[in-house]
Amino acid sequence: KNQVEQSPQSLIILEGKNCTLQCNYTVSPFSNLRWYKQDTGRGPVSLTIMTFSENTKSNGRYTATLDADTKQSSLHITASQLSDSASYICVVSAGIYNQGGKLIFGQGTELSVKP
Amino acid sequence: DAGVIQSPRHEVTEMGQEVTLRCKPISGHNSLFWYRQTMMRGLELLIYFNNNVPIDDSGMPEDRFSAKMPNASFSTLKIQPSEPRDSAVYFCASSSQNLNTEAFFGQGTRLTVV
Repeated sequence: KNQVEQSPQSLIILEGKNCTLQCNYTVSPFSNLRWYKQDTGRGPVSLTIMTFSENTKSNGRYTATLDADTKQSSLHITASQLSDSASYICVVSAGIYNQGGKLIFGQGTELSVKP
Repeated sequence: DAGVIQSPRHEVTEMGQEVTLRCKPISGHNSLFWYRQTMMRGLELLIYFNNNVPIDDSGMPEDRFSAKMPNASFSTLKIQPSEPRDSAVYFCASSSQNLNTEAFFGQGTRLTVV
């Protein structure tokens, strides 16, 4: 069964601190892995997308890693800001080329950055 | 491009009524997805289309739910009859046919069935 599991479920950190969110998946066939940020009341917005051959990808203060052998990914946030408070969702694409793919969503990690 | 456009943004309806949610994907995108999000279950894929054809509708919870994509620029998700447990935020997303491009989400429709 295709599954994506994230940890922790929620996290509270102080402004300026770093944090790392985890994602484990069992998805086949694997196409790519994405991290999304979802602010309250808004739709998810893509942060990074990584294919099988990519180990790491950065987007500003966000750095995602992917270990395709262990089927694990992490999202590292550096020097957190209050605006980083949101739900972070790990999404794995399972699909066949030319059929658009199917996105399997994790439950998300709720991050709260406190001043 | 204005992004994925969903309407209405909010919908409150009485149990038993028909509800129709609308989505306009980004122009040129071949794949369209309908998702439902609740606090208990997170984001759940309901159905996705590729080139206007439904590829996977295994996430559609019941026969009360139906989705159509009559052309490349429009899709609807219909619930008939609606029930209180259908209350959720419904998102539409679109992406290009290349699997390794990101999917863009609309702002969602918050549905409340009373």
